[in-house]
Amino acid sequence: DVVMTQSPLSLPVTLGQPASISCRSSQSLAYSGGNTYLNWFQQRPGQSPRRLIYNVSNRDSGVPDRFSGSGSGTDFTLTISRVEAEDVGVYYCMQGTHWPPTFGQGTKVEIK
Amino acid sequence: EVQLLESGGGLVQPGGSLRLSCAASGFTFSSYAMTWARQTPGKGLEWVSSISGSGDRTYYANSVKGRFTISRDNSKSTVSLQMNSLRDEDTAVYYCVNWVEGSAILFDHWGLGTPVTVSS
Repeated sequence: DVVMTQSPLSLPVTLGQPASISCRSSQSLAYSGGNTYLNWFQQRPGQSPRRLIYNVSNRDSGVPDRFSGSGSGTDFTLTISRVEAEDVGVYYCMQGTHWPPTFGQGTKVEIK
Repeated sequence: EVQLLESGGGLVQPGGSLRLSCAASGFTFSSYAMTWARQTPGKGLEWVSSISGSGDRTYYANSVKGRFTISRDNSKSTVSLQMNSLRDEDTAVYYCVNWVEGSAILFDHWGLGTPVTVSS
């Protein structure tokens, strides 16, 4: 199975400041058809996971534009341009290029 | 609005059985693959099992193969997970998840989850 490794595992941030989370895969996530199936999920305290980004950089409906995704191959990044209080939670990357789908271990974002 | 509502979780002894159900609404059920995923503090998020929109194809994680069975009833918009020979390591919150049949963009919507505790 593809191993997804996130860093850091804990990220204290200041309100209004940017934050970045890294995700690395043990194999390239580039699919033969040209897409790269790398998703990002947000899990707020006490809630279920919610997908924010699909195919590396596409925001899901209703996701604020302060969230952006980038990367290729085996290295990916989720960036929050200006952290707000509602962004507190755990963020997971997930790959869907290789079966079975696998998740990173999660990065906990908290306010300093 | 998509809604996925799980039920059936609870406390069960090792070696026991439990059946989870998920009631879906807000989308054309038979056009979506359905999946069970689980979450534990130690192992994080893990895909468990998926079933195609028509129900003719099923998939299982190696950790549950031979013990869990996924099924669906498109007439009732429900998906179930029969869990047998339960082990301590099956303790988790189990989520019902959907994605468009045939799409490689996975894990569109998640239910609220139902907790399963395997303990003597």
